Amino acid sequence: DIRMTQSPSTLSASVGDRVTISCRASQSISRWLAWYQQKPGKAPKLLIYKASSLESGVPSRFSGSGSGTEFTLTISSLQPDDFATYYCQLYDNDSPTYTFGQGTRLEIK
Amino acid sequence: QVQLQESGPGLVKPSETLSLTCTVSGGSISSNTFYWGWIRQPPGKGLEWIASMHYSGSTYYNPSLKSRVTLSVDTSKNQFSLRLRSVTAADTAVYYCAGLPFGAAMFDPWGQGTLVTVSS
Repeated sequence: DIRMTQSPSTLSASVGDRVTISCRASQSISRWLAWYQQKPGKAPKLLIYKASSLESGVPSRFSGSGSGTEFTLTISSLQPDDFATYYCQLYDNDSPTYTFGQGTRLEIK
Repeated sequence: QVQLQESGPGLVKPSETLSLTCTVSGGSISSNTFYWGWIRQPPGKGLEWIASMHYSGSTYYNPSLKSRVTLSVDTSKNQFSLRLRSVTAADTAVYYCAGLPFGAAMFDPWGQGTLVTVSS
């Protein structure tokens, strides 16, 4: 099984800050990586797929990068609506199976 | 625009079978452009993929749950279903159904989720 390590688990930041969240896969997954935003009591919302493709309707301040085993979600200038929990999700093409990261809670400093 | 809605009992007794249904609207479950899946989230914890299937019957399971899970599809009702056998308190979670656009390896759209509690 491919393991996913997401960091940090908690991130404190202010409106206007640039923040990054990382996910590391235990072996190469090419670009099969997605990012989601989840707010309390709500279903996750897709932000990024195939590592760097921005989902339609998602603000351009969100961006994804990486390939192989190292991936990053960047929010260029935090807005009040961005304080939420973020998850990465990998796809193992050989299995095929899906694995989510442990989540990063983004909180207001 | 495809939308999904979960339905099923909110309370299941230990050792019994959890059964949930996801109704697809705004599109056909028989579409060749979608797989369909289930994901769960225990209270206060992270997301766990359970299984995914195509309407043709091709199905993939989380290895940790495979022995207890069955997925099925009812094309006449535009629904797909999850059965999880021999549940324990550890299976208490919000259960989400979701679409997997073919070739994109991501979940979108999602249902709103339904809380299932395992308790006697």
